[in-house]
Amino acid sequence: AQSVTQPDIHITVSEGASLELRCNYSYGATPYLFWYVQSPGQGLQLLLKYFSGDTLVQGIKGFEAEFKRSQSSFNLRKPSVHWSDAAEYFCAVGAGDMRFGAGTRLTVKP
Amino acid sequence: DADVTQTPRNRITKTGKRIMLECSQTKGHDRMYWYRQDPGLGLRLIYYSFDVKDINKGEISDGYSVSRQAQAKFSLSLESAIPNQTALYFCATSGTDSTDTQYFGPGTRLTVL
Repeated sequence: AQSVTQPDIHITVSEGASLELRCNYSYGATPYLFWYVQSPGQGLQLLLKYFSGDTLVQGIKGFEAEFKRSQSSFNLRKPSVHWSDAAEYFCAVGAGDMRFGAGTRLTVKP
Repeated sequence: DADVTQTPRNRITKTGKRIMLECSQTKGHDRMYWYRQDPGLGLRLIYYSFDVKDINKGEISDGYSVSRQAQAKFSLSLESAIPNQTALYFCATSGTDSTDTQYFGPGTRLTVL
């Protein structure tokens, strides 16, 4: 069965520092992988997705993610975090019947 | 105007009451979904519909039912609400390709007392 693990419940970084959010998945075939962001009181917005091709995927707001099949990972990165990036981030796998991770809450220190 | 709307945005009800949450979309998508979000659990799929005549159970469908009244409308019902159905509920829509993005509504916060 497909599943997603986000090992970090909460991460705090300083503004301007780099960021990496971890995501590990379990999926029987070539996975469709997604990262969504949820700002407080809002719905989810897609940051980026991977389904084939180049394993380094560029998304909106300066985010990128790298698919590593050997590690079953799809980690999200950003080289320099802005205060507006404070939100909850969800990794998801699947197509149609999608599975989400439990989320990682990001706090940005001034 | 928002592409995916949900009504109501907030609802407080009592145990045993029947509740309906409604979702409408103007994106012209065939696929629609209902999720619930609980702290520490992320989003879990309740039901999904690939078109008006195709409805499927998701990960946690027990205690819920759905109705796809039209391409643009997908309703979620709790026939007899219980306190552990207190959660944030999201509707989403997508195109027909499995790689298509899901677009989420703003959510409905439901409290069952």
